[in-house]
Amino acid sequence: GIQVEQSPPDLILQEGANSTLRCNFSDSVNNLQWFHQNPWGQLINLFYIPSGTKQNGRLSATTVATERYSLLYISSSQTTDSGVYFCAANTGTASKLTFGTGTRLQVTL
Amino acid sequence: DGGITQSPKYLFRKEGQNVTLSCEQNLNHDAMYWYRQDPGQGLRLIYYSQIVNDFQKGDIAEGYSVSREKKESFPLTVTSAQKNPTAFYLCASSMRLNTEAFFGQGTRLTVV
Repeated sequence: GIQVEQSPPDLILQEGANSTLRCNFSDSVNNLQWFHQNPWGQLINLFYIPSGTKQNGRLSATTVATERYSLLYISSSQTTDSGVYFCAANTGTASKLTFGTGTRLQVTL
Repeated sequence: DGGITQSPKYLFRKEGQNVTLSCEQNLNHDAMYWYRQDPGQGLRLIYYSQIVNDFQKGDIAEGYSVSREKKESFPLTVTSAQKNPTAFYLCASSMRLNTEAFFGQGTRLTVV
């Protein structure tokens, strides 16, 4: 099945800084999603982005399907951005989303 | 409000007991999924259902069972055969298989 790798595994930022999280995947994807897992464990949908670029406020994402990677950009980070960011993908023939192991982000004052 | 509701939020079980986790959605989605998350890990698929009265095993189905008698509901039973059931369980749904998935708030199961 598809392999999904995320980097970096951990990231510490000062409030106001920008960051880029990366997701590499091993096969052509039908679906690629970015999630933020909050401290209570809930997965919040950030982007559904099998290809192209999307923006939502301070967050944006780009997926380059031909090169098999996706990037999540966080600008002007805030303490509420802290948590774990997951990338998940599946191929057209797969029945499930395969998750990466996540990037744990801590934003400090 | 539209969404996915999991209950209970926290569940304690004695070893040797079966326990059932509830998942209900009012999004009119055909596909539903159960994932398990262990501390510091990503999510792994337990079971999924493409349509009512149909379900398939995921990567870690041993020790679990499901049913899909109604479109809105996809309960997960953790049986006594599951060797290490303490984990965070997340239910998800999507319009069809392989479309954008949405998750419930999760149930944290602890075996005591």
